[in-house]
Amino acid sequence: AQSVAQPEDQVNVAEGNPLTVKCTYSVSGNPYLFWYVQYPNRGLQFLLKYITGDNLVKGSYGFEAEFNKSQTSFHLKKPSALVSDSALYFCAVRAPGVGSQGNLIFGKGTKLSVKP
Amino acid sequence: NAGVMQNPRHLVRRRGQEARLRCSPMKGHSHVYWYRQLPEEGLKFMVYLQKENIIDESGMPKERFSAEFPKEGPSILRIQQVVRGDSAAYFCASSPPGGGQNQPQHFGDGTRLSIL
Repeated sequence: AQSVAQPEDQVNVAEGNPLTVKCTYSVSGNPYLFWYVQYPNRGLQFLLKYITGDNLVKGSYGFEAEFNKSQTSFHLKKPSALVSDSALYFCAVRAPGVGSQGNLIFGKGTKLSVKP
Repeated sequence: NAGVMQNPRHLVRRRGQEARLRCSPMKGHSHVYWYRQLPEEGLKFMVYLQKENIIDESGMPKERFSAEFPKEGPSILRIQQVVRGDSAAYFCASSPPGGGQNQPQHFGDGTRLSIL
């Protein structure tokens, strides 16, 4: 069965420091991996995805993620955190296709807090 | 360029009443997904629809919940005889036709359902 784990409920970072939000996955077949961000009382915003190709994927707002097949990980990173990055971050994997596209399976989320 | 539109944003119902949640996908999108988010948890898939078809309803509770995506108009998630445990944020997402598993889903801002 497909699953996603985000081992940290919360990550605290000082502004200007690099940040990492961890994600590991379990899939059968090729993984389709996504990161989303959620601000309070809002829906999820798409940040980036990994399908195939380069293991380092660049996305919105300066975020990037590194796909590591041997460790089954897809950690989200940013070289220099901003206070405005404080939000809830979700890692997701695509379920096997039912119809032409499958639903997303989400991790529990990691709350990122960036302090000035 | 409107995104995914959900209404109402907040809905209050008494136990035993019916709740109707509406979702208009992004223009040109023909795939609609409904997810439920309980406090402090990630999103859980409920149902995946295309126009006039339910593709995957494996995440829907067996009773009281139904969904439709008619040829004309928004997708509707209907909850009959609501109970306190139905209190949650309900999110709709859409994606365009074609592209397969690598299409990101675009989310609305959700409907927050409160049951008194």
